[in-house]
Amino acid sequence: DAGVTQSPTHLIKTRGQQVTLRCSPKSGHDTVSWYQQALGQGPQFIFQYYEEEERQRGNFPDRFSGHQFPNYSSELNVNALLLGDSALYLCASSLGQGNHNSPLHFGNGTRLTVT
Amino acid sequence: GESVGLHLPTLSVQEGDNSIINCAYSNSASDYFIWYKQESGKGPQFIIDIRSNMDKRQGQRVTVLLNKTVKHLSLQIAATQPGDSAVYFCAETGGEGSGSRLTFGEGTQLTVNP
Repeated sequence: DAGVTQSPTHLIKTRGQQVTLRCSPKSGHDTVSWYQQALGQGPQFIFQYYEEEERQRGNFPDRFSGHQFPNYSSELNVNALLLGDSALYLCASSLGQGNHNSPLHFGNGTRLTVT
Repeated sequence: GESVGLHLPTLSVQEGDNSIINCAYSNSASDYFIWYKQESGKGPQFIIDIRSNMDKRQGQRVTVLLNKTVKHLSLQIAATQPGDSAVYFCAETGGEGSGSRLTFGEGTQLTVNP
C-alpha cells in the first residue's frame, strides 16, 4: 500500500524563479493538503484540494497556487520565489474533507532551498 | 490568532523511563487532536488521536490525555526507547470551517539516552 509520495525530494532555486512540487496521495485518499514547515517549526497549512478545487486556504500569498488532477494527485506552484520560501513542503492526504475518521497521512516532503 | 503550542522545546529521558510531552491549545472550538512524530528527514507520522468527547485514549505504549477545562493535551510514552527519539507535534482542528485543516504547535524534541 503506497503512502504519500512527493517529488522531488530536494530542490534548489534562485530568487524570482518559479517552482512546481508534486504529490501523489495515499491509495484510496481523495483529499490533498499542503503544508510549509520552516526549520525548527511546526507545519503551517497552505491549502487543501478536494474534487479538483481549492477548498480551504491558509495565510499564504497568491504566489502560492495549486492544482488537483482527476487521479487525486496534486501540484504546488510557487512563483517569484523569495529567500523566505526556503522550507520543507509537506503534502498530506486523507479521505474526504474534514473527516475525523481519516487522519492526515504525510509524505516525506520536498526540501526547497532558495538562494 | 488562536494557536496550539508546546510548553517545552526539548525533553531528555533515559531509556526505559516514561516520557510525558505536553501541549496547550487556545481554540475552545477545537474538537479533534492528533499527536505526530517527526524523525529527521521525514514527514510527520501519525501516533494517536483523540476527540473532544474523550479525556483519555490509549494505544500501543502511548496514551493521550485531554483536559478541556484547561485546554491541555499530553502524550505519555511508556518504556521510552531510542527509536522514540524525534520531534513530537500536537495538532488540532475543529470549529466552524476548519475541515481537516490542522494547526500545529512548534514541537518538542525528545532525546532518549541509552
